Amino acid sequence: QSALTQPASVSGSPGQSITISCTGTSSDVGGYNYVSWYQQHPGKAPKLMIYDVSKRPSGVSNRFSGSKSGNTASLTISGLQAEDEADYYCCSYAGSSTWVFGGGTKLTVL
Amino acid sequence: QVQLQESGPGLVKPSQTLSLTCTVSGGSISSGSYYWSWIRQPAGKGLEWIGRIYTSGSTNYNPSLKSRVTISVDTSKNQFSLKLSSVTAADTAVYYCARVPGREMASPADAFDIWGQGTMVTVSS
Repeated sequence: QSALTQPASVSGSPGQSITISCTGTSSDVGGYNYVSWYQQHPGKAPKLMIYDVSKRPSGVSNRFSGSKSGNTASLTISGLQAEDEADYYCCSYAGSSTWVFGGGTKLTVL
Repeated sequence: QVQLQESGPGLVKPSQTLSLTCTVSGGSISSGSYYWSWIRQPAGKGLEWIGRIYTSGSTNYNPSLKSRVTISVDTSKNQFSLKLSSVTAADTAVYYCARVPGREMASPADAFDIWGQGTMVTVSS
């Protein structure tokens, strides 16, 4: 069970859109539609932003969206805002009632 | 609303057992269909899923930690606990507890929807 692969960092200007990728294998991301995404500000606990690949929990802005193609899931943030600057982690079901996280991506809002 | 709070020693000696407890408030740990999980994060690094328990006592663990991990639940105290044996410096991390709704729930299923604030555990002599 290896960690999912995410870019170490992405950046964008306010108002722009960015996409963070999360690459796994057919045993995790590609095999199940149980991908979730978490936002983590420094010193804080992670916050659920997307689950089941593309569903948003109540209270999460519709500027956040998720998708999946093959073994790669993606998180897109549109209309970037300063408060979106944070670390983002993907997570996938990996079979046999186990879960695996990505290494995390630092989003910088320029 | 439901809140989670981790507690336990902040310093553990190498080769000893790390023990943490997560207290659930604002709701019963036994109500509904929820799994209760432990996740850790070394300083400056990513998240690692440790394992989970259902209120029936059924457990699942990260294969890489399975030989050293035990998760248990005490429904009378509305708590669940983590024990990690034979710790080394590599086990130094912030440890989080989190809730995972099952598919039967209206809440986000199979995702970590509520987290504790985390507790730092350092392994050092």
